[in-house]
Amino acid sequence: KQEVTQIPAALSVPEGENLVLNCSFTDSAIYNLQWFRQDPGKGLTSLLLIQSSQREQTSGRLNASLDKSSGRSTLYIAASQPGDSATYLCAVRPYGQNFVFGPGTRLSVLP
Amino acid sequence: DGGITQSPKYLFRKEGQNVTLSCEQNLNHDAMYWYRQDPGQGLRLIYYSQIVNDFQKGDIAEGYSVSREKKESFPLTVTSAQKNPTAFYLCASSSRQGDGLSTEAFFGQGTRLTVV
Repeated sequence: KQEVTQIPAALSVPEGENLVLNCSFTDSAIYNLQWFRQDPGKGLTSLLLIQSSQREQTSGRLNASLDKSSGRSTLYIAASQPGDSATYLCAVRPYGQNFVFGPGTRLSVLP
Repeated sequence: DGGITQSPKYLFRKEGQNVTLSCEQNLNHDAMYWYRQDPGQGLRLIYYSQIVNDFQKGDIAEGYSVSREKKESFPLTVTSAQKNPTAFYLCASSSRQGDGLSTEAFFGQGTRLTVV
């Protein structure tokens, strides 16, 4: 059964730092991997989608990489801002199955 | 604007009462999903539907029911059989796998249900 973990569970950094969030999954047979952001009391906002054939995707200050063979993805946030404070979740889509979500990393960027 | 709309944003339920949460999407997605989110826990799948007039139970379907009469709509009913319904409910949609389309998932803004 596919399992997804995220490290760290929580992270607090000063404004301006570059940071890395980690996502690990146990089965490499995935269709894609998606990173989301969730603000308190809100729904999930899609940040980046990486297809299984891709190695990375970029959007603005965000860069996500995917290494299927090792079962890992990283979300790199450059020059962090207080507005980046949120919970970040990753989810994989195994072949023929529904999404499997990680528990999330709660990020606080201090001004 | 394309997206997913959930309503209401807040809902209060009395003991023994059934309530229905609305989810509407205009993304032309075949697949729709309902998740439950509790504090400190991840998302748990309640029900999903890959196509109109068909749906399957997820991991925690007991005490819930759904219908999928239209492609755009996937309402969730929380019945009196659900003993602990207080939670944040999220609806999502995506294309189906194998359609040659991206299966990127999109979420609504959620409904917070409280038992009073």
